[in-house]
Amino acid sequence: DPKIIQKPKYLVAVTGSEKILICEQYLGHNAMYWYRQSAKKPLEFMFSYSYQKLMDNQTASSRFQPQSSKKNHLDLQITALKPDDSATYFCASSQDRGVSNERLFFGHGTKLSVL
Amino acid sequence: AQSVDQPDAHVTLYEGASLELRCSYSYSAAPYLFWYVQYPGQSLQFLLKYITGDAVVKGTKGFEAEFRKSNSSFNLKKSPAHWSDSAKYFCALEGFITGNTRKLIFGLGTTLQVQP
Repeated sequence: DPKIIQKPKYLVAVTGSEKILICEQYLGHNAMYWYRQSAKKPLEFMFSYSYQKLMDNQTASSRFQPQSSKKNHLDLQITALKPDDSATYFCASSQDRGVSNERLFFGHGTKLSVL
Repeated sequence: AQSVDQPDAHVTLYEGASLELRCSYSYSAAPYLFWYVQYPGQSLQFLLKYITGDAVVKGTKGFEAEFRKSNSSFNLKKSPAHWSDSAKYFCALEGFITGNTRKLIFGLGTTLQVQP
């Protein structure tokens, strides 16, 4: 059983629209993250949350807004979508944030294509 | 600058051969290094990590990695390779964002194909 659930697996959107990527983790972890992998680029850190509070934001654009309604949820709202936003978005979690050398657990990713 | 380089996008070998996937890093302080693996249709999974101590670290599924400070490398090894090892492998460095905030910095990954 997957412990980190991301929905949907695939998402096609039109330029200018808004989408929400869903992430739920059932590992009892306190920290959650979003990473993005664009074509020909490595996984790139976007956000980290700890106990439902935003801790780190490495995303320049305010069009990307994480939302945490519950401790084990971290959704990602993307507004005014652009073709450059096309990527696979990975949700991850760890027991705690900011702890050195802690391993991350990843979801399967949501592959977003913006036309 | 903090970065990870995996120079080989694809590696193909036959079952029974020894595998070595290359990873080099750039980091000004003592590095924390990781390998993650993504099997087809699955999410990224932790394989092993180097924090300090012995240069050779052992992970799951018979993998090990050797940390070499002299050339800033952290290569992943396994012998013999099995067809089930076919996957994409990611090397990662734990780096700072600000203060004591850390993040994983990934390489582009190496797709390994082990032929029967």
